[in-house]
Amino acid sequence: SQTIHQWPATLVQPVGSPLSLECTVEGTSNPNLYWYRQAAGRGLQLLFYSVGIGQISSEVPQNLSASRPQDRQFILSSKKLLLSDSGFYLCASRTAGANVLTFGAGSRLTVL
Amino acid sequence: GQQVMQIPQYQHVQEGEDFTTYCNSSTTLSNIQWYKQRPGGHPVFLIQLVKSGEVKKQKRLTFQFGEAKKNSSLHITATQTTDVGTYFCAGLGGSGNTGKLIFGQGTTLQVKP
Repeated sequence: SQTIHQWPATLVQPVGSPLSLECTVEGTSNPNLYWYRQAAGRGLQLLFYSVGIGQISSEVPQNLSASRPQDRQFILSSKKLLLSDSGFYLCASRTAGANVLTFGAGSRLTVL
Repeated sequence: GQQVMQIPQYQHVQEGEDFTTYCNSSTTLSNIQWYKQRPGGHPVFLIQLVKSGEVKKQKRLTFQFGEAKKNSSLHITATQTTDVGTYFCAGLGGSGNTGKLIFGQGTTLQVKP
């Protein structure tokens, strides 16, 4: 079965600082990878998804970007954080041919 | 675009009472999935429904998929404190191999012991 590693688990960043959240996947090859954001008490908003190395699709215009430098590595970045970027960021993986998502433990970002 | 709506947003019940959350999609779904997120945790897959009118059970949990494949429900019989959390439905959207799941807003369940 798949295992998703996300780090850091928690971070507090000042407005205007850069961001890098990393996600790695074990136990599968060539997965579809996803970044979701969950604002406090809210649902899951799909930010980016990737079907392969270097292939990124953005769901909503925003202050964030994503990259997939390796098959099982997915990175979420920002050059300058905004207050509205605060939230719980979840990486998810889907094995080709399956519909079910496996989520990582998440990264909780607070922008001050 | 495709939207998945879930009601209620919050539900407080006394332990032992039943609980139901409802999910409605603006478009026909190829399948629907349910996830549970414990407080402070991440969503965990519960079940997937594929067939029109399908009903599946997991112990005290009963999942239904509507005949038109546009709605679904999750019913918990005799809630326990371990049922606390947020329950999300998710419909499969997009085309090709993306497998984009569109999540509902979730229903947060509180159970009073």
